[in-house]
Amino acid sequence: AQRVTQPEKLLSVFKGAPVELKCNYSYSGSPELFWYVQYSRQRLQLLLRHISRESIKGFTADLNKGETSFHLKKPFAQEEDSAMYYCALKGTGRRALTFGSGTRLQVQP
Amino acid sequence: SQTIHQWPATLVQPVGSPLSLECTVEGTSNPNLYWYRQAAGRGLQLLFYSVGIGQISSEVPQNLSASRPQDRQFILSSKKLLLSDSGFYLCATAGSGYEQYFGPGTRLTVT
Repeated sequence: AQRVTQPEKLLSVFKGAPVELKCNYSYSGSPELFWYVQYSRQRLQLLLRHISRESIKGFTADLNKGETSFHLKKPFAQEEDSAMYYCALKGTGRRALTFGSGTRLQVQP
Repeated sequence: SQTIHQWPATLVQPVGSPLSLECTVEGTSNPNLYWYRQAAGRGLQLLFYSVGIGQISSEVPQNLSASRPQDRQFILSSKKLLLSDSGFYLCATAGSGYEQYFGPGTRLTVT
């Protein structure tokens, strides 16, 4: 069975501080992982995917197969980063995603 | 690009009443469609998915059902709502790279 764990419900940091949102997964195959973000009063949207190895809005995430992790990082948090962040794993066959429970990031001024 | 519409945006229904939530998609044909429920502290739970008209797969046994009467229309229904059906319901489609695109959601409160 596949599972995604985000151990922190809330992460509060000050503006300019580094941010790391943790994500661990359990999956027997080769994983495809995503980070989604939901800003206040906006729809859930894709932030980045591991296969693209991209940096979006200053965020990066590296897949660590040894630790089965896909943590989301940003060196200097901005107030506009405050949002709900979800880690997701691609399932087999039907192309549905398995989501973690989410972490709310609060960036304080 | 794909656009997903959902309505209503919010709904308050009494226990035991029926439910119908609608999702329509623009900008694509023959999409895979999904219904998720988002509950506080519990992430997104996949409820149903559909790969074509009339084809529905249920992920979780529950009080809800889904139908796909047209290629770009996906409906979530219930004959009798329970308190536990309250939540935020999201419709989604799948992109070419397995990413998913979400609609604005429907906030359902069962009283």
